[in-house]
Amino acid sequence: SQTIHQWPATLVQPVGSPLSLECTVEGTSNPNLYWYRQAAGRGLQLLFYSVGIGQISSEVPQNLSASRPQDRQFILSSKKLLLSDSGFYLCAWSVPDTVYEQYFGPGTRLTVT
Amino acid sequence: GESVGLHLPTLSVQEGDNSIINCAYSNSASDYFIWYKQESGKGPQFIIDIRSNMDKRQGQRVTVLLNKTVKHLSLQIAATQPGDSAVYFCAENSRDSSYKLIFGSGTRLLVRP
Repeated sequence: SQTIHQWPATLVQPVGSPLSLECTVEGTSNPNLYWYRQAAGRGLQLLFYSVGIGQISSEVPQNLSASRPQDRQFILSSKKLLLSDSGFYLCAWSVPDTVYEQYFGPGTRLTVT
Repeated sequence: GESVGLHLPTLSVQEGDNSIINCAYSNSASDYFIWYKQESGKGPQFIIDIRSNMDKRQGQRVTVLLNKTVKHLSLQIAATQPGDSAVYFCAENSRDSSYKLIFGSGTRLLVRP
């Protein structure tokens, strides 16, 4: 069966510090991968998605970047965090060549202070 | 963990009653719709999906209804239980990319004992 992992679960970082959130998927090959952000009391905002290694599509111009160094690894980064980067970050995967069900990880709660 | 439903529309139901959560979608060309359940501090979980060639689909205690004429989607939960308390999101596939889902803003379901 497929599983998706995210770490860390929670993170408190000062403004201006770098960020690296990691997501890995097991049990599937060449998945579509997604990064979402969710502000408190809000819906899901798609940040990045990838349909293959090294292939990244950005949805919203912002202070963040994404990379996919391996087939089942998706990384969300920032060189300098802003207060507005606080939120709940969710990674998701879906079956290749399809938009259908996306399966979400447990999320990372980021607080920028 | 921090609630994701602080500012969302809220539906309050008595335990044992049926719940109906509604969602309006915007893209008449969307051909796939999905419902997710998100408990506080966790990632969204897949509940049920429906393709545009169907009007109704049933799962275990849940039914999704699709009205393409008025672009309306609903999730019905039978015999609502305390464990159903969560935020519920609808999503549709994106017109501009076959890889993306567009999420609604969510509805918080509270089950009164």
